Amino acid sequence: AQKITQTQPGMFVQEKEAVTLDCTYDTSDPSYGLFWYKQPSSGEMIFLIYQGSYDQQNATEGRYSLNFQKARKSANLVISASQLGDSAMYFCAMRGPVLLIQGAQKLVFGQGTRLTINP
Amino acid sequence: SQTIHQWPATLVQPVGSPLSLECTVEGTSNPNLYWYRQAAGRGLQLLFYSVGIGQISSEVPQNLSASRPQDRQFILSSKKLLLSDSGFYLCAWSGGRRRPGVDGYTFGSGTRLTVV
Repeated sequence: AQKITQTQPGMFVQEKEAVTLDCTYDTSDPSYGLFWYKQPSSGEMIFLIYQGSYDQQNATEGRYSLNFQKARKSANLVISASQLGDSAMYFCAMRGPVLLIQGAQKLVFGQGTRLTINP
Repeated sequence: SQTIHQWPATLVQPVGSPLSLECTVEGTSNPNLYWYRQAAGRGLQLLFYSVGIGQISSEVPQNLSASRPQDRQFILSSKKLLLSDSGFYLCAWSGGRRRPGVDGYTFGSGTRLTVV
């Protein structure tokens, strides 16, 4: 079974500092994908970044980068130059095996990390 | 462009009352649709998914049911709500012209359900 572990329930960071949110995963599938989502207080889930298990390079999207260490089964999210608007819950998720030919996929989520950016 | 609509945004219902939450997707055809539930301060749990009209798969046995009467419509229902049904319900879609496995899901704005 697939499992995502986020060990940091909460983090407090000063504005403009970089922050790393930890995520470790467990799977026996050789092909998998890892996602990070941001959930502000409004509740919506915002897709941030994706890393495929066969991707050679770490994914980057603007201020977000994913520190993918396959041997350690970790996929930490790095946010550079944090902003007050980054305060939110952050979820790491793993794509399960493709369910059907249509490509339906199950995402398994971690418990999340609440990030607070202090001015 | 593709959009996903979910309503209502908030709902307070008494124990034993019925439930109907609706989700619709625009701008794509034959999407894969999902219902997730998020308990307070917790991660998301997949409840149901659907790959086509009338095709519903349940992940967790529970007091809820789902239906897909039209290609881009997904409904979450209950005949009698329990206190434990309280939570934040999110609808999502994947597929269409999106890159399977890469773009993941697009989520609706969610429904906050409180059963009293």
